[in-house]
Amino acid sequence: AQKVTQAQTEISVVEKEDVTLDCVYETRDTTYYLFWYKQPPSGELVFLIRRNSFDEQNEISGRYSWNFQKSTSSFNFTITASQVVDSAVYFCALSEENAGNMLTFGGGTRLMVKP
Amino acid sequence: DVKVTQSSRYLVKRTGEKVFLECVQDMDHENMFWYRQDPGLGLRLIYFSYDVKMKEKGDIPEGYSVSREKKERFSLILESASTNQTSMYLCASSFEWERTSGNTGELFFGEGSRLTVL
Repeated sequence: AQKVTQAQTEISVVEKEDVTLDCVYETRDTTYYLFWYKQPPSGELVFLIRRNSFDEQNEISGRYSWNFQKSTSSFNFTITASQVVDSAVYFCALSEENAGNMLTFGGGTRLMVKP
Repeated sequence: DVKVTQSSRYLVKRTGEKVFLECVQDMDHENMFWYRQDPGLGLRLIYFSYDVKMKEKGDIPEGYSVSREKKERFSLILESASTNQTSMYLCASSFEWERTSGNTGELFFGEGSRLTVL
């Protein structure tokens, strides 16, 4: 069965610090998809990224970067020079190839960025 | 912009009441989902639907039922609400999954309905 673990339940940083949110997953499938979502205080989850299991290339989008390592079953998310607006709950999620759009979510990491 | 609208942001109900949570999406998505969000547990899938009148159980369907009579609307029903169903309920929708379509598999979420059962 698939499983996603976000060991950090809560992280607090000061603005401009870099912060990494950890995500470890378990799956028996060789083809799967990994996601990160952001949930701001308003409540609506916002899609950030999807990564395919056959593409281990890391990705950078502005201040956000993602490190995908199949060898350690991890898909970590780094925010560089954090800002107060980054304060949110972040969820990592996994979908197996034959599961369609059914996502298994981790428990979430609450990030608090203080001015 | 894709819009997923949940009918109520906050509800307070009594034990034993029947509760309806409504969700409407405006992007002609085939798939619709109901998740429950609890602290430390993340989001857990209750039910999903990949077509009108079709439904599949998720990880925690007990105590819930769903209805999808129209493509744009997906309702979650608590036949007899209990205190352990106090939670945040999130509806989501997406296009049909096709690996080669360029579809990111992205789920679009509503803002959530916070239900308190007394």
